[in-house]
Amino acid sequence: GQNIDQPTEMTATEGAIVQINCTYQTSGFNGLFWYQQHAGEAPTFLSYNVLDGLEEKGRFSSFLSRSKGYSYLLLKELQMKDSASYLCAVSPSDSNYQLIWGAGTKLIIKP
Amino acid sequence: SAVISQKPSRDICQRGTSLTIQCQVDSQVTMMFWYRQQPGQSLTLIATANQGSEATYESGFVIDKFPISRPNLTFSTLTVSNMSPEDSSIYLCSVETLAGDEQFFGPGTRLTVL
Repeated sequence: GQNIDQPTEMTATEGAIVQINCTYQTSGFNGLFWYQQHAGEAPTFLSYNVLDGLEEKGRFSSFLSRSKGYSYLLLKELQMKDSASYLCAVSPSDSNYQLIWGAGTKLIIKP
Repeated sequence: SAVISQKPSRDICQRGTSLTIQCQVDSQVTMMFWYRQQPGQSLTLIATANQGSEATYESGFVIDKFPISRPNLTFSTLTVSNMSPEDSSIYLCSVETLAGDEQFFGPGTRLTVL
């Protein structure tokens, strides 16, 4: 079957760094996405990894290891507005655009 | 990028009635999807809306309950038919751009069925 695992909830302190992990087992692999979703709002795109390694975008970085079926999202210099759910999603096929979604990690930032 | 609007943004409906949700994109897109998101849970794909042909439904979702239209490359509708309280959820439209490396989401429709 297809499966994506990520922690249900994490807590971190304002100004600190947090790493949110995601492991996946899918029938194929054509890229991994991270989305941010604030409560009551639609998900917004953060990053896309298709090759191994680290992609940095401002305070957010995303890492992928295809051989390990593993990714993480790294958030630096945490701000209160970073409190949100972070969704990991995998595209298992290059023949269609459906995504397999993780359940999301709720990140709570404390002052 | 793509800008997506959905109507209505929210509605409260009676059991047994139907509601049609509209999704409008500001540019032509290849793929349009309809998701459901229960409170505190992740996204569940209902179906892929295909332009000019019948939608492709995921396991657990059927056309009689969730009829979908996609008359052109910028517009789609999802109808939630014969509603029950279990259909209370947020319904999200998303699109895949021609670049193919990102999905954009509409603001969602919050549905409450009494």
